[in-house]
Amino acid sequence: DTGVSQNPRHKITKRGQNVTFRCDPISEHNRLYWYRQTLGQGPEFLTYFQNEAQLEKSRLLSDRFSAERPKGSFSTLEIQRTEQGDSAMYLCASSAGPGGAGYGYTFGSGTRLTVV
Amino acid sequence: QKEVEQNSGPLSVPEGAIASLNCTYSDRGSQSFFWYRQYSGKSPELIMFIYSNGDKEDGRFTAQLNKASQYVSLLIRDSQPSDSATYLCAFVSYNTDKLIFGTGTRLQVFP
Repeated sequence: DTGVSQNPRHKITKRGQNVTFRCDPISEHNRLYWYRQTLGQGPEFLTYFQNEAQLEKSRLLSDRFSAERPKGSFSTLEIQRTEQGDSAMYLCASSAGPGGAGYGYTFGSGTRLTVV
Repeated sequence: QKEVEQNSGPLSVPEGAIASLNCTYSDRGSQSFFWYRQYSGKSPELIMFIYSNGDKEDGRFTAQLNKASQYVSLLIRDSQPSDSATYLCAFVSYNTDKLIFGTGTRLQVFP
C-alpha cells in the first residue's frame, strides 16, 4: 500500500493555459474523489468516481473542468483556459467503500496550482 | 446557512489540557461524521468517524454525536504541541457518497 499518489506536486501556469493533474489511488480502492482547497477553507467537493463511472459532479464546477477515470484505476483532472481563481490545492482521495458505511477517505498530498 | 459550521479559532489550550472542538450540521439526513486533522501545508488525515448517537473513544480522542441537536464534537485529552493543527469536521448525507467538509478549527497547544 503506497498511499494515494498525485502528480505533479506543484504547477505554475499562465492564465488561459490548460492543465492536467493525475491521481493514482490505493490499488484496492474503487472510489476516487477530487476536491479543491483554498487557504482557510475546508476541502470543496468537485467530483467522484466509483470504478470508471463518474457518479456525481459539483454544480459549482464549471464546464472548464473535466475528470476521467478510464479504466477504474488512475484518474485525471483537466482544467481548460485556467483563470486566477482556479489557484488552489487540488486534492485526490480514495476509499474502499461508501462514506455512509464509515469508510473514510485517504487523501493524496495534493497538487498546488498557481495561475499567474 | 452553511452545511457544516465550525469555529475557525484559533483555539489555544495548554499542554496536558483537554481540547474541545465543535461542529454543527444542517442536513438531518446526515449519516456518518468524520474528524480529520490537517497540518499546515499537508493533506487531511482521518482521525475517526462516528455514526451513532453517544461517545466513541480512540486513544486520546473522543468523538461525541447528538443527532437531535445536529452536533458533533471532538475531545482531545492530554493535548500535546504535536496536536496543533486544523481539525476538519465532515459528514456524509444519506443519498450521496461524498464528504462535506467544514472550514476547520485551528488548534494551538502551547507548552
